Amino acid sequence: GENVEQHPSTLSVQEGDSAVIKCTYSDSASNYFPWYKQELGKGPQLIIDIRSNVGEKKDQRIAVTLNKTAKHFSLHITETQPEDSAVYFCAASTGFQKLVFGTGTRLLVSP
Amino acid sequence: NAGVTQTPKFRVLKTGQSMTLLCAQDMNHEYMYWYRQDPGMGLRLIHYSVGEGTTAKGEVPDGYNVSRLKKQNFLLGLESAAPSQTSVYFCASSSDRGEKLFFGSGTQLSVL
Repeated sequence: GENVEQHPSTLSVQEGDSAVIKCTYSDSASNYFPWYKQELGKGPQLIIDIRSNVGEKKDQRIAVTLNKTAKHFSLHITETQPEDSAVYFCAASTGFQKLVFGTGTRLLVSP
Repeated sequence: NAGVTQTPKFRVLKTGQSMTLLCAQDMNHEYMYWYRQDPGMGLRLIHYSVGEGTTAKGEVPDGYNVSRLKKQNFLLGLESAAPSQTSVYFCASSSDRGEKLFFGSGTQLSVL
């Protein structure tokens, strides 16, 4: 089955810096790659997603890139702010009901 | 906008006790899911439902049962709790076949 690895497990940046979180997946049939943000005491919330027919997608300060050949995808956050501090999860899906999550990255943005 | 509501938020059980976690969504979503979240292991799918009256096993179904008698509700049951079931449980719903999940705020369960 699908296996998703996520790195780093923790990431500390200064406010205004960029942050990059990387994930690799094992199943070349995966075609959907979402990213979720989990704030303390809350459930994960979808922040951006990308499909396998697209190489990059942006939404304001966040972007996701996908390299199908290397089977990895990344989340990029620019101009980080303290409110970006959270745990971020990547996931990959081969299709119907088969969403597999990474182990999470704790991002800390210091003022 | 309630979204996905989970009850209870916290629960402590003794080994061998049973309990039911309730998930309710008000978005008229067809698909509902139960995940568990453990440190260093991300989110793992326990069971899911593709519509009222249906259930299916996920990645880690052993020790759990589910029911979806009404479209808006998805119940997760533990018949005989074990310490290995200590975890944070999240319910989620989707209108998009397993994509774009909306999560509840979680239930912290401790089994002593």
